[in-house]
Amino acid sequence: KQEVTQIPAALSVPEGENLVLNCSFTDSAIYNLQWFRQDPGKGLTSLLLIQSSQREQTSGRLNASLDKSSGRSTLYIAASQPGDSATYLCAVKMVAGNTPLVFGKGTRLSVIA
Amino acid sequence: NAGVTQTPKFRVLKTGQSMTLLCAQDMNHEYMYWYRQDPGMGLRLIHYSVGEGTTAKGEVPDGYNVSRLKKQNFLLGLESAAPSQTSVYFCASSSGHFYEQYFGPGTRLTVT
Repeated sequence: KQEVTQIPAALSVPEGENLVLNCSFTDSAIYNLQWFRQDPGKGLTSLLLIQSSQREQTSGRLNASLDKSSGRSTLYIAASQPGDSATYLCAVKMVAGNTPLVFGKGTRLSVIA
Repeated sequence: NAGVTQTPKFRVLKTGQSMTLLCAQDMNHEYMYWYRQDPGMGLRLIHYSVGEGTTAKGEVPDGYNVSRLKKQNFLLGLESAAPSQTSVYFCASSSGHFYEQYFGPGTRLTVT
């Protein structure tokens, strides 16, 4: 059974710092991996989706990498801002059948001004 | 283009009461999903649908029923609510199994 782990569970950094959020998964037979942002009391907003054949995806100050063979993905946030404070979730889509997205429990990020 | 919307936003039920949560999407997506999110548990899939008239069980389907009578709507029903169903419920949709999922804003349900 696929398990997705995100470490750390919470992170606090000063504004302007570059930071990395980690996501690991136990089964490398994934089709893609998606990073989401969730603000308190809100739904999930998709940030980046990486296909299994890709190594990384970039959107503005965000860069997500994928190493499928080692079961790891990282989300790099450059020049962090207080507005980046949120919970970040990663989720993997398996290759096999109509299996659902498997989510990690998230990393809660606080960027301090 | 509203994306994915959910009704209601908040609800308080007493044990044994029933209710229906409505999800609507205007993106012409085939796939729709219902998740629940609980502290320390992450998001778990309850039921999903791969097209109008179809439904399938997810990871935690017990105590819930769903219907997809129209392509744009996916209903989640609780026939006899239990305190264990206190949670935040999210609906999502996608154009296919391997495509990006778009989430609604959630429904916060409390069962007393």
